[in-house]
Amino acid sequence: DIVMTQSPDSLAVSLGERATINCKSSQSVLYSSNNKNYLAWYQQKPGQPPKLLIYWASTRESGVPDRFSGSGSGTDFTLTISSLQAEDVAVYYCQQYYSTPPVTFGPGTKVDIK
Amino acid sequence: QVQLQESGPGLVKPSQTLSLTCTVSGGSISSGSYYWSWIRQPAGKGLEWIGRIYTSGSTNYNPSLKSRVTISVDTSKNQFSLKLSSVTAADTAVYYCARTGSWHEGWFDPWGQGTLVTVSS
Repeated sequence: DIVMTQSPDSLAVSLGERATINCKSSQSVLYSSNNKNYLAWYQQKPGQPPKLLIYWASTRESGVPDRFSGSGSGTDFTLTISSLQAEDVAVYYCQQYYSTPPVTFGPGTKVDIK
Repeated sequence: QVQLQESGPGLVKPSQTLSLTCTVSGGSISSGSYYWSWIRQPAGKGLEWIGRIYTSGSTNYNPSLKSRVTISVDTSKNQFSLKLSSVTAADTAVYYCARTGSWHEGWFDPWGQGTLVTVSS
């Protein structure tokens, strides 16, 4: 199984400031045939299901604000919120879909307002 | 757009079988090349993928749960279901159903709202 890790476990950022979340996979999720990274990011607010933000490591889902961006390749990935808004308080998860089953998720990173 | 809704008992006794159904609305469960998955989340913890089914009936399960899981589909009712046998308190969680594409599009979207299942006598 591919093991996903995230750092930090939690972070507090001032409104309007940048938040950066890291995700690392235990093996590469880059598929050489199409040069795509099989990694997605989700946002989960309390009492709600996860919401897809980004797939292919950097493709923003329709309707997701452009302050959310994904980057990275191979085994190391980053989700950046360029200017944190109050509504961005949530837990963020990464997920690999390169080697399945099983699909695996990272443990989550909690983002709060400082 | 497609919406998913979980249903089933909120309380299951230890050693019994947990049974949940996910009803798909806004589109046919048989249309497109989609897999239909179950994912769970214990309170305050992360996400665990349980398994998935294709509308042909082909299934894949998480090896950690494989011996206890059965996922089935009823295309006539636009539903798919989860059975988890021999449950213990460790199976207490919010259970979500979700849609995913083929291997090349293996992200989950949309998700159901989730249903809390508590295992307790």
